[in-house]
Amino acid sequence: DTAVSQTPKYLVTQMGNDKSIKCEQNLGHDTMYWYKQDSKKFLKIMFSYNNKELIINETVPNRFSPKSPDKAHLNLHINSLELGDSAVYFCASSQGTGFNEQFFGPGTRLTVL
Amino acid sequence: GENVEQHPSTLSVQEGDSAVIKCTYSDSASNYFPWYKQELGKRPQLIIDIRSNVGEKKDQRIAVTLNKTAKHFSLHITETQPEDSAVYFCAASRTGNQFYFGTGTSLTVIP
Repeated sequence: DTAVSQTPKYLVTQMGNDKSIKCEQNLGHDTMYWYKQDSKKFLKIMFSYNNKELIINETVPNRFSPKSPDKAHLNLHINSLELGDSAVYFCASSQGTGFNEQFFGPGTRLTVL
Repeated sequence: GENVEQHPSTLSVQEGDSAVIKCTYSDSASNYFPWYKQELGKRPQLIIDIRSNVGEKKDQRIAVTLNKTAKHFSLHITETQPEDSAVYFCAASRTGNQFYFGTGTSLTVIP
């Protein structure tokens, strides 16, 4: 009964490749997020979607493209991977756009060689 | 945008002692301040939050205080236990859908 799940858990790939990370939540939430956590543990928001619509798009290279096919899913596609993209990517969800708890997924550790 | 600073970056305390982590924020319109705990290799999880209309909130051994005038808020953990060892993140939000996190504090409780 995992609340927020991500696949894959680990992703190792070469520079220049394109990869996707999938996120699904079964909490009935309508807002989902992507965060990047770098090697120094800094947690930075990348995108936020509410009811499948993009509401927050921080300064992220356009090589990163989120896609939300429905309220329960928010996938992250990354083109032309670079060494600096290596990080742990967390998906999260919350109910509505108010001040509600964010539930994080287990994270995807991306390593770009 | 908002800028959240968090101190200290690392903190070691003896079991049973108290731990205090402090955060400052720059956007005076921020009005929601959650704290997340991230154990090693795990996901961040909310432990306590406070809204701007409240100065202090307590939940068992943890408490958070907020000073809106000075734009800072703090996490207090009393009677620390080894299982409190983790990385703690503060965050600030003005809209509820955009959170700015601090840089994290790695807390070690020494048995």
